[in-house]
Amino acid sequence: DAGVTQSPTHLIKTRGQQVTLRCSPKSGHDTVSWYQQALGQGPQFIFQYYEEEERQRGNFPDRFSGHQFPNYSSELNVNALLLGDSALYLCASGAGGTTDTQYFGPGTRLTVL
Amino acid sequence: QKEVEQNSGPLSVPEGAIASLNCTYSDRGSQSFFWYRQYSGKSPELIMFIYSNGDKEDGRFTAQLNKASQYVSLLIRDSQPSDSATYLCAVGRDNQGGKLIFGQGTELSVKP
Repeated sequence: DAGVTQSPTHLIKTRGQQVTLRCSPKSGHDTVSWYQQALGQGPQFIFQYYEEEERQRGNFPDRFSGHQFPNYSSELNVNALLLGDSALYLCASGAGGTTDTQYFGPGTRLTVL
Repeated sequence: QKEVEQNSGPLSVPEGAIASLNCTYSDRGSQSFFWYRQYSGKSPELIMFIYSNGDKEDGRFTAQLNKASQYVSLLIRDSQPSDSATYLCAVGRDNQGGKLIFGQGTELSVKP
């Protein structure tokens, strides 16, 4: 039973660049949520995708966008990178677009120089 | 006031003792409560969830929920050095879809 997978594991970008992060949910799950975790902080909710639509969004600017594909995998795109975007980006897999149990992937560590 | 608050710690307990981790939340409409464990440099791992008032036990872990007091706790019995990690409390509300609100985490250190 495959768990949640994310790619890449690490990424280094410079300010102003754009980045795309990818996530495949756990087998049997159809919902993907994205979180940003700064060092020493708890994860902060970016948005959730269910049925290929953004269902809920946290307090993040429009530079953060996403997509969900028919196979339930998802992408997170961040444009015009800022130094403050450096963080661990986590994908959480769940079912039915609810707050039911969510399982995190290994994360993508993004460093913006 | 933060939506979900935890003591940042570090909380230090001797091996074999009970570790008690606490969390308070501000939204009375919150319906689902989760505890995640996060080792340094790793992603959060779900260890417990609770939806109803009272206690829920799973092995050495017990989650306690008191909605009237807006308080949720995690007890770890017979603490082991391998339990040393940051414990994150997360709170959800069904009419907000899958949005979980996390506390900043409590660092637990179990000393041999």
